[in-house]
Amino acid sequence: EAGVAQSPRYKIIEKRQSVAFWCNPISGHATLYWYQQILGQGPKLLIQFQNNGVVDDSQLPKDRFSAERLKGVDSTLKIQPAKLEDSAVYLCASSLVGRAGIAEQFFGPGTRLTVL
Amino acid sequence: AQSVAQPEDQVNVAEGNPLTVKCTYSVSGNPYLFWYVQYPNRGLQFLLKYITGDNLVKGSYGFEAEFNKSQTSFHLKKPSALVSDSALYFCAVSSAGGTSYGKLTFGQGTILTVHP
Repeated sequence: EAGVAQSPRYKIIEKRQSVAFWCNPISGHATLYWYQQILGQGPKLLIQFQNNGVVDDSQLPKDRFSAERLKGVDSTLKIQPAKLEDSAVYLCASSLVGRAGIAEQFFGPGTRLTVL
Repeated sequence: AQSVAQPEDQVNVAEGNPLTVKCTYSVSGNPYLFWYVQYPNRGLQFLLKYITGDNLVKGSYGFEAEFNKSQTSFHLKKPSALVSDSALYFCAVSSAGGTSYGKLTFGQGTILTVHP
């Protein structure tokens, strides 16, 4: 079974530039998550999708971050414009539909973003 | 709001000795508890989870965890550590109650180093 795919693996940009990350979840997983992991901290949920609908985006900085999941499969996360404090690893995860909070999540390798 | 604390930034243990990585949590309602492991430049991998039932949960690679409701703890254990167990370990919690319904919250992580 193929795992969660993410690209690019690494990205270096200057502040105020834009960047986009792509995620392809495990086939059949209806729930998709984007996390931000700052060095030395645990992952923090940015947004959760169920199929192509948003379940939770309470911690997404909506003035600069946006995410979409067209057709309930692939997802993209965009930052525009980037700030220095956005330097982090962005993790995508997916899980099967089930009672909320119970299904284990499967993580991709992440995209390491450096903002100069 | 739900939260997770991992009181030790680092744990060092000799190969062959038992290991414990500590985790305490705070949630509204019944907790769902998880342990994930992260190897360098890789995404998080699921180890085990507690949803309900037996307080001792067995997971991948010989790891187990004990749920203690009175102490609100979910410590990760292994009877005999291997050098290959060296990694970053995260405890996480979600719940079916409160305002954080279904949302996974991670601790800050514990670096486990197993010495030969």
